[in-house]
Amino acid sequence: QQQVKQSPQSLIVQKGGISIINCAYENTAFDYFPWYQQFPGKGPALLIAIRPDVSEKKEGRFTISFNKSAKQFSLHIMDSQPGDSATYFCAASSFGNEKLTFGTGTRLTIIP
Amino acid sequence: DAGVIQSPRHEVTEMGQEVTLRCKPISGHNSLFWYRQTMMRGLELLIYFNNNVPIDDSGMPEDRFSAKMPNASFSTLKIQPSEPRDSAVYFCASRPGRVGQPQHFGDGTRLSIL
Repeated sequence: QQQVKQSPQSLIVQKGGISIINCAYENTAFDYFPWYQQFPGKGPALLIAIRPDVSEKKEGRFTISFNKSAKQFSLHIMDSQPGDSATYFCAASSFGNEKLTFGTGTRLTIIP
Repeated sequence: DAGVIQSPRHEVTEMGQEVTLRCKPISGHNSLFWYRQTMMRGLELLIYFNNNVPIDDSGMPEDRFSAKMPNASFSTLKIQPSEPRDSAVYFCASRPGRVGQPQHFGDGTRLSIL
């Protein structure tokens, strides 16, 4: 019940296209859903996060869509750029619990 | 503002040796986390501390692993004796005490046990 399932495992998108990564969870107590971006040789860095009181959050080219009834959330990267090539992790936690449960990661490659 | 600092960045050692990984969290952060990252298992939380006290060590794989946080600015993760299956990238992360604040990760220690 603690798992967060992430798909796809890898994704290749053309420059300028939309990259979409999906995550699903089981634990209804989860109420904080961050996305982390990781470049080779670096630690994960927070990209954007959402709480279930809103269905969408946008920061620049990055948007989280959240579907509470389906227990799913997704990351959309608009106008994808080669610099977006990285591994992306979704995660979830519940209020008062500092533990993050991470998805398995998506390796995104943006090709010219 | 310095981020989370981990040392060493790379460690190669022989099976059976003791390995000590070090972490300096961001000043003022109350919580510290140790993670292990492998291709097979992804990012796994090993243990986390709140105000220097271990809160949850359920992710520590075996008694060979131990972690300490003697003060607010330093933590160690020790493996003794090390085994080849411990080879992984180990990350330390810290977080402020305020609710809703994200975890900040260091750049990790790449550990290879031969």
